[in-house]
Amino acid sequence: GAVVSQHPSWVICKSGTSVKIECRSLDFQATTMFWYRQFPKQSLMLMATSNEGSKATYEQGVEKDKFLINHASLTLSTLTVTSAHPEDSSFYICSAAPVGTGAYEQYFGPGTRLTVT
Amino acid sequence: GENVEQHPSTLSVQEGDSAVIKCTYSDSASNYFPWYKQELGKRPQLIIDIRSNVGEKKDQRIAVTLNKTAKHFSLHITETQPEDSAVYFCAANTNAGKSTFGDGTTLTVKP
Repeated sequence: GAVVSQHPSWVICKSGTSVKIECRSLDFQATTMFWYRQFPKQSLMLMATSNEGSKATYEQGVEKDKFLINHASLTLSTLTVTSAHPEDSSFYICSAAPVGTGAYEQYFGPGTRLTVT
Repeated sequence: GENVEQHPSTLSVQEGDSAVIKCTYSDSASNYFPWYKQELGKRPQLIIDIRSNVGEKKDQRIAVTLNKTAKHFSLHITETQPEDSAVYFCAANTNAGKSTFGDGTTLTVKP
C-alpha cells in the first residue's frame, strides 16, 4: 500500500517551454501533497505544500508564477514549470500524506528528472 | 524556520559493524522525526520514524533515539550489510507536515 506515482519519469524540453509533472496517490487519498527539488548529491528542498481544493503554499524563494501547482483531487497534484530555463533542470519529487495521518507520514513518488536544453 | 544539521556527511564501515548518524534540529515545535534511505536515482524510502513523545524506537537492525531537551536524534544501524549502502536523510516535521531535511549521509558498507 501507499504507492505514489509520478509522470513523466524523465523529460527533456527546450528553453522557454512549459512542462507539467503529475503526482498521483494510487491506493490512498491525500489531502496534502508536497513538491521537492533535489540537485545531484544534495538534499531535498521543499518547494511548496499543496492542499486539495486550495492554493499551494510556497516556500521562501520559490516563484509561484514559475512553478504552478494544482491539487484538483485527493489523488492528483500537478506541478507545471513555466518558461523553463536550463537552471530549472533538476530532479523533482512529490510526496503524499494519507488522509487522517496529520501529514506526518509522507510517501514519495519516484521523481521526475527534468532537463532543459 | 526549522534548521536540521546532519553528521557525518560520509560514513564508511566494515560489514558487520554498526553505523550511527546524528541530527540536530532547531525548532522546538517539531514533533515527528523520520529517517529516509535513498539509493542513487530512486525515491526516498521511509525506514524508521519517531514521534516526540517517545525516546527510542527499534525495528530489527535499525533504531532511532530522540533527545527532545537537547534537540537531537540519531539513527543506529547494527550488523551492517553491503545493501545498507545508500544516502540517509533525517528530517524534522511540524504539525503542518512540513519536512525539513538534513543534508544527507552517504553510508558505504565494505564487504
